Amino acid sequence: DAKTTQPPSMDCAEGRAANLPCNHSTISGNEYVYWYRQIHSQGPQYIIHGLKNNETNEMASLIITEDRKSSTLILPHATLRDTAVYYCIVRESYQAGTALIFGKGTTLSVSS
Amino acid sequence: EPEVTQTPSHQVTQMGQEVILRCVPISNHLYFYWYRQILGQKVEFLVSFYNNEISEKSEIFDDQFSVERPDGSNFTLKIRSTKLEDSAMYFCASSEALPGGGGYTFGSGTRLTVV
Repeated sequence: DAKTTQPPSMDCAEGRAANLPCNHSTISGNEYVYWYRQIHSQGPQYIIHGLKNNETNEMASLIITEDRKSSTLILPHATLRDTAVYYCIVRESYQAGTALIFGKGTTLSVSS
Repeated sequence: EPEVTQTPSHQVTQMGQEVILRCVPISNHLYFYWYRQILGQKVEFLVSFYNNEISEKSEIFDDQFSVERPDGSNFTLKIRSTKLEDSAMYFCASSEALPGGGGYTFGSGTRLTVV
């Protein structure tokens, strides 16, 4: 069963920030939040992950609420190439090799 | 940047035939995975592999599927007797054994068409 809830679709104007929400109200203390995306049937691409602190890398920022029940992936300046399905996944990261289970994700459409 | 390489990119096979899908994971990764995605559906986990053993598998990964690391670089998925419903994109992935966790790197997939 899916541990996360995401809106099925979102739109964003090119150049604007895309904020993708994820609800994971049953997350446990040792579970990390991972974000991946899939561009047009290519292999999924890792974006970012975090436990409880906010994280930032060259692709995106991850904001996790203090109670850890939800998070937001932020693409600061969305481009047309960011059009993809975005997946929020929770997983016990210390168990290396544990399967990532994908849900339906959010389809982000970036338009000019 | 290191990549996971999958071959072939597209394979067409007749129902009942055996197919082998090949993957070259990233060289310093220790965990390997196979996923599949039927057209228009979710990415589904099949199997994970570590230290020459299956570490986890899904209900989809039944007796007609097998995995192997025949040498130090390749990782293969064999489907013994293909069915029409095996038609899908098959993705290989690999990951490091990091205590804090890390991302999987996925290949670009093999599109399997069973006719």
